[in-house]
Amino acid sequence: DTAVSQTPKYLVTQMGNDKSIKCEQNLGHDTMYWYKQDSKKFLKIMFSYNNKELIINETVPNRFSPKSPDKAHLNLHINSLELGDSAVYFCASSPRTSGGFEQYFGPGTRLTVT
Amino acid sequence: AQTVTQSQPEMSVQEAETVTLSCTYDTSESDYYLFWYKQPPSRQMILVIRQEAYKQQNATENRFSVNFQKAAKSFSLKISDSQLGDAAMYFCAYRSANYGGSQGNLIFGKGTKLSVKP
Repeated sequence: DTAVSQTPKYLVTQMGNDKSIKCEQNLGHDTMYWYKQDSKKFLKIMFSYNNKELIINETVPNRFSPKSPDKAHLNLHINSLELGDSAVYFCASSPRTSGGFEQYFGPGTRLTVT
Repeated sequence: AQTVTQSQPEMSVQEAETVTLSCTYDTSESDYYLFWYKQPPSRQMILVIRQEAYKQQNATENRFSVNFQKAAKSFSLKISDSQLGDAAMYFCAYRSANYGGSQGNLIFGKGTKLSVKP
């Protein structure tokens, strides 16, 4: 069974569109994350979320919004897509919000905005 | 704010030999965790090894070991008996041990691309 899954794995869309990326974890973890990996492979946190609190990286445009229908899912919605949004987006989860617990990553979604 | 620096954008090693990837970090915290993640061409992020800052003993996982120098804020990864499957991007990452706003986000270095020559 896949621990952290994302759909779709590839997404090609035009500027101005609205799109969503889904993330599901079957590990029973409390905390989920979204990271963005840019064209230079740099990984940066976008959001972290447990069932009580959403923490937003201040550099993330408000066109990006995470939505969690339940503890096992954290979907990423992006409005009015821009060329600069092209990147690989990773979902991750961990058992708790702190400590040395491993973060388990999904396979990533490569978003291409044309 | 914490930062992680990997000063080697690319490294190369001969199969069966040993290579060391460098990582330094900056933090004012005394309790934290350090990780090395591997990202092969499949782009899946895979945990290689983790180190707790309160532990003086260096972590080891089979052919992978770290040299953790807390005072110097250095956390290098040594890969012994390199294999073709070790070819990947390697990311050093920092995670605070404190509860709070960061909620345990990983702070990554920019990565080192490791090539393994047969």
